[in-house]
Amino acid sequence: SQTIHQWPATLVQPVGSPLSLECTVEGTSNPNLYWYRQAAGRGLQLLFYSVGIGQISSEVPQNLSASRPQDRQFILSSKKLLLSDSGFYLCAWTALSNSPLHFGNGTRLTVT
Amino acid sequence: AQTVTQSQPEMSVQEAETVTLSCTYDTSESNYYLFWYKQPPSRQMILVIRQEAYKQQNATENRFSVNFQKAAKSFSLKISDSQLGDTAMYFCAFMKTSHTGANSKLTFGKGITLSVRP
Repeated sequence: SQTIHQWPATLVQPVGSPLSLECTVEGTSNPNLYWYRQAAGRGLQLLFYSVGIGQISSEVPQNLSASRPQDRQFILSSKKLLLSDSGFYLCAWTALSNSPLHFGNGTRLTVT
Repeated sequence: AQTVTQSQPEMSVQEAETVTLSCTYDTSESNYYLFWYKQPPSRQMILVIRQEAYKQQNATENRFSVNFQKAAKSFSLKISDSQLGDTAMYFCAFMKTSHTGANSKLTFGKGITLSVRP
């Protein structure tokens, strides 16, 4: 069966520090991968998605970037964190178009 | 662009009773999918139910069912025999049908917090 791993679960970082969140999927090949952010009182906002290795689409211009160095690995990064980057970050995958997304357990990021 | 609106921020229901969560959406697409996701305090996003827009029959999954009104662009979730474990945030989500196989993006509402009282 397919599983998705996301880490770390919790992260506290100072303003101006770099960020790297990692997500991996097991049990499937060539998944579509997604990064969402959930801010307090808001729904989930799509940040990036990827349909293949090295293929990244950005939905919202911001201080973050994403990379997909391997088929089942998706990384969310920042060179310098801002206070506004605080939130709950969720990675998700789907194997087929028009299928539900399956989510990881999320990372709670607090920028201080 | 598609939008999803959940106008009720919070609801409360007595255990074993029935509750309906509302959702409306706006789109110019004719083919799409609608979903309800549940986010318990653990914050894991769990798929509750899915509805294909081309199907007239409302989807049902055990105690969960939807009332899909395509013309009104309404997609409500009914939870029957509410249980304490149903306490969670519920998100309505929209997915445009993709024919290219390229991607499937979900657009979410802001969510509604449901509390089930013992």
